[in-house]
Amino acid sequence: QSALTQPASVSGSPGQSITISCTGTSSDVGSYNLVSWYQQHPGKAPKVIIYDVIKRPSGVSNRFSGSKSGNTASLTISGLQADDEADYYCCSYAGSITFVVFGGGTKLTVL
Amino acid sequence: EVQVVESGGGLVQPGGSLRLSCAVSGIFFSNYWMSWVRQAPGKGLEWVANIKQDGSEKHFVDSVKGRFTMSRDNAKNSVYLEMNSLRDEDTAVYYCATGGGYDLIFENWGQGTLVTVSS
Repeated sequence: QSALTQPASVSGSPGQSITISCTGTSSDVGSYNLVSWYQQHPGKAPKVIIYDVIKRPSGVSNRFSGSKSGNTASLTISGLQADDEADYYCCSYAGSITFVVFGGGTKLTVL
Repeated sequence: EVQVVESGGGLVQPGGSLRLSCAVSGIFFSNYWMSWVRQAPGKGLEWVANIKQDGSEKHFVDSVKGRFTMSRDNAKNSVYLEMNSLRDEDTAVYYCATGGGYDLIFENWGQGTLVTVSS
């Protein structure tokens, strides 16, 4: 069960936009529109910010958006704020045997 | 407000066993898949297991198959993770989360319970 591939780190200045990629295979990201994204601040539990590739739970800022092309999903954060500094994880359904795979995580630094 | 509270973590020797519990309130518990996700110190998230609403279907990550079991008691709004033959690499914070079934949404998370496997 290989993890999805994410960049280890990304950075941006307040007000800018950044995009985090999440690359899987035709067995997971490429086959299902069941990609979710989680934000985790240090010492805290993760929080879902995107599900079903593009949907936002109620209460999540519309500065967060998701997309997918082929085997790669992406999370875009626009209008960066200091509080966006956190770790971000993608997650995909991977079929009834493997079921779930997470990405290795991306540390976002707001400069 | 949804609350998810894990308990049962601690220090255990390699080869030992531990049972984690997770109590949920604020939702109609028996409507939800439930999941366990772990995070080794300084590492990323790793899905461990999930269980269907009525307990009839369960899935496990390959590395714990045959060693971990998961169960639920809908009358007590609780799920459990029975961990046997523990290894050093099982050391992690174990999070309980609502959801994580075929919709793949881990919606509400607890604060986690630390399991340390060490001699």
